[in-house]
Amino acid sequence: QKEVEQNSGPLSVPEGAIASLNCTYSDRVSQSFFWYRQYSGKSPELIMSIYSNGDKEDGRFTAQLNKASQYVSLLIRDSQPSDSATYLCASKTGANNLFFGTGTRLTVIP
Amino acid sequence: DGGITQSPKYLFRKEGQNVTLSCEQNLNHDAMYWYRQDPGQGLRLIYYSQIVNDFQKGDIAEGYSVSREKKESFPLTVTSAQKNPTAFYLCASSTGTSGGTIYNEQFFGPGTRLTVL
Repeated sequence: QKEVEQNSGPLSVPEGAIASLNCTYSDRVSQSFFWYRQYSGKSPELIMSIYSNGDKEDGRFTAQLNKASQYVSLLIRDSQPSDSATYLCASKTGANNLFFGTGTRLTVIP
Repeated sequence: DGGITQSPKYLFRKEGQNVTLSCEQNLNHDAMYWYRQDPGQGLRLIYYSQIVNDFQKGDIAEGYSVSREKKESFPLTVTSAQKNPTAFYLCASSTGTSGGTIYNEQFFGPGTRLTVL
């Protein structure tokens, strides 16, 4: 059973639109959730962390967490071509280990 | 500059050969991790270490070995027992729990791409 699941995509949005990326997790005791951005051929870069139910905003990025539904999402407002990448969702359960989803590939069309 | 370095960037292994991937961090992080990334499979944990001289197996430890003799360094050896080692190897570090945080934000190095010849 997968710990973290993401829509594999690919997801395409026009420049300036809102991109919505979704993630579900199976372990109800998961405490913390993370979104990483990974450009092709590069390593993952942490862009958002969220620990409490509700929304967390950082610039054009908003992470949303609903622990009752075991659902995490990332919204990217005013999408730019530079946002084109694979977005990885991860959850922390227990110790220090993270479980990663397989990622959603986002393409922003100019 | 603080960060995580990995070397080499590209590595080629012959059949039956052991190779060692380097990972160094100057972030003063307690915990370090090794992941493997294959196309379409996300990141899978190989080994992790929360303190010096201690490490634990992750989900796919067979065919790999590690050491943690210094806080800054966590080298990974891919042994000849690993039958399908071609992958992108990523090292990460975090503050772990010693800093009193449960958040465990992990930060990644640039990666080593290993190919079997």
